[in-house]
Amino acid sequence: DTEVTQTPKHLVMGMTNKKSLKCEQHMGHRAMYWYKQKAKKPPELMFVYSYEKLSINESVPSRFSPECPNSSLLNLHLHALQPEDSALYLCASSQDPTGTSTDTQYFGPGTRLTVL
Amino acid sequence: ELKVEQNPLFLSMQEGKNYTIYCNYSTTSDRLYWYRQDPGKSLESLFVLLSNGAVKQEGRLMASLDTKARLSTLHITAAVHDLSATYFCAVDMVWAAGNQFYFGTGTSLTVIP
Repeated sequence: DTEVTQTPKHLVMGMTNKKSLKCEQHMGHRAMYWYKQKAKKPPELMFVYSYEKLSINESVPSRFSPECPNSSLLNLHLHALQPEDSALYLCASSQDPTGTSTDTQYFGPGTRLTVL
Repeated sequence: ELKVEQNPLFLSMQEGKNYTIYCNYSTTSDRLYWYRQDPGKSLESLFVLLSNGAVKQEGRLMASLDTKARLSTLHITAAVHDLSATYFCAVDMVWAAGNQFYFGTGTSLTVIP
């Protein structure tokens, strides 16, 4: 099973709302990632969790708050977003966060977020 | 800062033709990945290239890696419409905090019947 699942598939929210994106994998991977992708652009890394600890934060605004409750789950909490935050949010996982594994990153289907 | 550049950015080609997409990166790395993305969809892993001279083939696509030149190529043979998609290369860098993918700019491929 090489599947990463994400919910919801689509999300529309106002600038004052609080919402969460969820990601799950059951491949035993110990690294999980959040990416943001705007139309016709490559994915931009937001956060990396390594063994359930936040290891990389790419200077993302505090209105995005990641959480890794356990090794299979990754959440992204959203609060007071701006219209420019509208994008496809992708979750990914890989086997070994130390980089010694040669495995690829497996991507979920993404959540299409629209901020009004 | 690691830079990963692809060219061309846009490619329109006729069915049955051959073409090559190039991926250049700015620092030493032995690991290079190719992904495909259909419109509105997620990224699908195509190839994992782990050493200098690595060559992988799947169907009409063949990827290669030259770490000395910091160059990877994705060659398309006898293109068909189903190959229309955006193709990304990604370079894997290992830091103390973990490994991180740097994605190329992407190549949007349209295969015309």
